[in-house]
Amino acid sequence: EVQLVQSGSEVKKPGQSLKISCKGSGYSFTAYSIAWVRQMPGKGLEWMGIIYPADSDIMYSPSFQGQVTISADKSTTTAYLQWHSLKASDTAIYFCARRQFADYSFDYWGQGTLVTVSS
Amino acid sequence: EIVMTQSPATLSVSPGERATLSCRASQSVYSNLAWYQQKPGQAPRLLIYGASTRATGIPARFSGSGSGTEFTLTISSLQSEDFAVYYCHQHYHWLWTFGQGTKVEI
Repeated sequence: EVQLVQSGSEVKKPGQSLKISCKGSGYSFTAYSIAWVRQMPGKGLEWMGIIYPADSDIMYSPSFQGQVTISADKSTTTAYLQWHSLKASDTAIYFCARRQFADYSFDYWGQGTLVTVSS
Repeated sequence: EIVMTQSPATLSVSPGERATLSCRASQSVYSNLAWYQQKPGQAPRLLIYGASTRATGIPARFSGSGSGTEFTLTISSLQSEDFAVYYCHQHYHWLWTFGQGTKVEI
């Protein structure tokens, strides 16, 4: 069974750093790209970026370039999303999602990680 | 950036009725369009990809159509579990974008 299991909720202060995770199982982790998608409170979905774990090739949305860092560890079949200095506006739910072979849609999603940034 | 516009923002329907959701792209995305369903507190679920292909395990009451800039998701007979928010998603242009969502409510 394909699963993407994300790390738990986080509460941070502005300026702090954070790294959240997404562990893939039940499939060949290096064969499928993993994307990150943001959902701000009560809002829609925004694509942030995507990584191909086989070679760590990464593409960022211009809106998130320089604001976050995406990475992956093949040995632990885990993808990561990292901030070096959080802002209150980073408060959101973050989903990881697998890009399927058939096309570039996302066929499996993690359960989401709620990140709350508040002083 | 390709802007995806969904209509209506909210659709009020009764169980057993047909629901028709629209999605318009600001430029052609050919058939590179997916639909997702999201229920409160849950992750999105892929319903349709390639504009008209149902994802694995999706009931036949869900169907997608369209190409280019105009797309439609139809739910032929709404069940109670179908009340949710639906998003379209273009993956033709590398800067993937989603519509703002249509909420299907009773």
